[in-house]
Amino acid sequence: QSALTQPASVSGSPGQSITISCTGTSSDVGSYNLVSWYQQHPGKAPKLMIYEVSKRPSGVSNRFSGSKSGNTASLTISGLQAEDEADYYCCSYAGSSSRFGGGTKLTVL
Amino acid sequence: QVQLQESGPGLVKPSETLSLTCTVSGGSISSYYWSWIRQPAGKGLEWIGRIYTSGSTNYNPSLKSRVTMSVDTSKNQFSLKLSSVTAADTAVYYCARAGWFGTNWFDPWGQGTLVTVSS
Repeated sequence: QSALTQPASVSGSPGQSITISCTGTSSDVGSYNLVSWYQQHPGKAPKLMIYEVSKRPSGVSNRFSGSKSGNTASLTISGLQAEDEADYYCCSYAGSSSRFGGGTKLTVL
Repeated sequence: QVQLQESGPGLVKPSETLSLTCTVSGGSISSYYWSWIRQPAGKGLEWIGRIYTSGSTNYNPSLKSRVTMSVDTSKNQFSLKLSSVTAADTAVYYCARAGWFGTNWFDPWGQGTLVTVSS
């Protein structure tokens, strides 16, 4: 069961926008609108940021948005803030199982 | 609000069975799926499996032969057993609520518990 593919790192300056991609296959990302995204700060448990491709849980800033095209899902963070510096993971349903991406480290310059 | 807390031995010997329990507080364990997810130090997240309150399970195909999950609704707890462990199973183990049928999200998560496999 291969992990979804994410860039190892991305960076941006405060106020800018960044996008993190998550590439899967027609067996996971491409077949289901069941992609979720998680933010993880060092030493902390992951936090749900986006579910069902583009929905935000209550309490999550509207600076976070999600989308999907074909086998690739994306997380966009606009108006970057220092507190956004963290690791981000995507997760897709894969037919009775779930599959995570390898994670992307976001650095706010 | 719902809170989850993992518990179990922090050290397990190679070839033995890792056993963890997740206690759910602030809400009922019923009518949801519940998952275990692990993270080796400095690495990414790996989904281990999920269990519904009926006892129905789905496991990661790569771990399926060694994983058993169970649920005790009377105690609002669910558990993980991973057999024949090796050093590669050393990780922080998280429990998380995993939505319901037809969803794929994990929220909230427990704080995580480090399990080290070593003699």
